[in-house]
Amino acid sequence: GQNIDQPTEMTATEGAIVQINCTYQTSGFNGLFWYQQHAGEAPTFLSYNVLDGLEEKGRFSSFLSRSKGYSYLLLKELQMKDSASYLCGGAGGGNKLTFGTGTQLKVEL
Amino acid sequence: SAVISQKPSRDICQRGTSLTIQCQVDSQVTMMFWYRQQPGQSLTLIATANQGSEATYESGFVIDKFPISRPNLTFSTLTVSNMSPEDSSIYLCSATTGGPNIQYFGAGTRLSVL
Repeated sequence: GQNIDQPTEMTATEGAIVQINCTYQTSGFNGLFWYQQHAGEAPTFLSYNVLDGLEEKGRFSSFLSRSKGYSYLLLKELQMKDSASYLCGGAGGGNKLTFGTGTQLKVEL
Repeated sequence: SAVISQKPSRDICQRGTSLTIQCQVDSQVTMMFWYRQQPGQSLTLIATANQGSEATYESGFVIDKFPISRPNLTFSTLTVSNMSPEDSSIYLCSATTGGPNIQYFGAGTRLSVL
């Protein structure tokens, strides 16, 4: 099975940088996924890591350390529209995703 | 990527009745999944929908309560049977298109059981 831990909520300022951490324990590992979910909407895919290191996609970056069971999502130049829930998901056997509780990010002026 | 269409988008049902949710994908996909999301919580996997065979259910979910069909590569249904108010939730369908097996989600079905 899998266990995913991430903070419940975070607050940051518009224009700033925020890092959302995720730790995982898994009996099988096929990648670490990050999704963004606005209230009342479907989760949308942001980033994916299967190897150690940093993946950069515009304002969003994700990092993975398999030896530490640790990942983070980095959001730069925060905008008000980035206020959302960010879901960390670990892929195990059968490519099934186990999600953490989600981190509710609030971006303030 | 894949575009996932799910219907109905929402419904209000009476306890004891059943509701079937449909999920249609715009391209052939390798795997399809059904999730439940309780208000304010994260996603919980219900089952993997297997084409042409019985779905694979996660712990705590059974076929009698959540029968699933997947007659072809692009379509699946989830039925919530003999509903009770505890079944009030958002039900989401997802699909992967191979490669890194990124899951793409439908918009969800918001179910309220009275």
